[in-house]
Amino acid sequence: EPEVTQTPSHQVTQMGQEVILRCVPISNHLYFYWYRQILGQKVEFLVSFYNNEISEKSEIFDDQFSVERPDGSNFTLKIRSTKLEDSAMYFCASSETSGPGANVLTFGAGSRLTVL
Amino acid sequence: AQSVTQLGSHVSVSEGALVLLRCNYSSSVPPYLFWYVQYPNQGLQLLLKYTSAATLVKGINGFEAEFKKSETSFHLTKPSAHMSDAAEYFCAVSEKNQGGKLIFGQGTELSVKP
Repeated sequence: EPEVTQTPSHQVTQMGQEVILRCVPISNHLYFYWYRQILGQKVEFLVSFYNNEISEKSEIFDDQFSVERPDGSNFTLKIRSTKLEDSAMYFCASSETSGPGANVLTFGAGSRLTVL
Repeated sequence: AQSVTQLGSHVSVSEGALVLLRCNYSSSVPPYLFWYVQYPNQGLQLLLKYTSAATLVKGINGFEAEFKKSETSFHLTKPSAHMSDAAEYFCAVSEKNQGGKLIFGQGTELSVKP
């Protein structure tokens, strides 16, 4: 069964450092997303991406965050200068754009970011 | 604004007993509703979805959920719990035509006792 792949599974970084989290969405999906889950809290929407541009972003997704699709397979989330409160599990997801699979997200296993 | 409330952060049942996980939503328009399950150290896996077809939705692993508009609820049930059902369960809502912006509940951890 097709799956969304995320790397790294766990990253530890120092406050102020840049971090890039990588995702390989399902190959025929055209909508991509990042969500995060701070320990003990809800899963929160960060950003959605379609046709090489951000389609929607939340208040959390400030200027420290950026997303990119550098090639035909990868989708990345960059945090420019990490803060302690960025420590969380970050989930990538993808979905089809139409048909019965639209609005149905397939999630990756997550990348746990720990900021020290 | 949309919101999702899951009653009970932790539910414990005996193996073979009924599983009932509660979810209530608020939405200004008819929503799409989802249940996701998260096993330890794994991603979120879709259990089932409601997208305005039948109000009783059957999902994987014997789970089902019923959309009740009058109660703004989408409770998840399974007639007989299995040890392998122990996991975290998340209810989520999205508005139609809003792509993948899901609003999640806080999650319910299900424990199954032998």
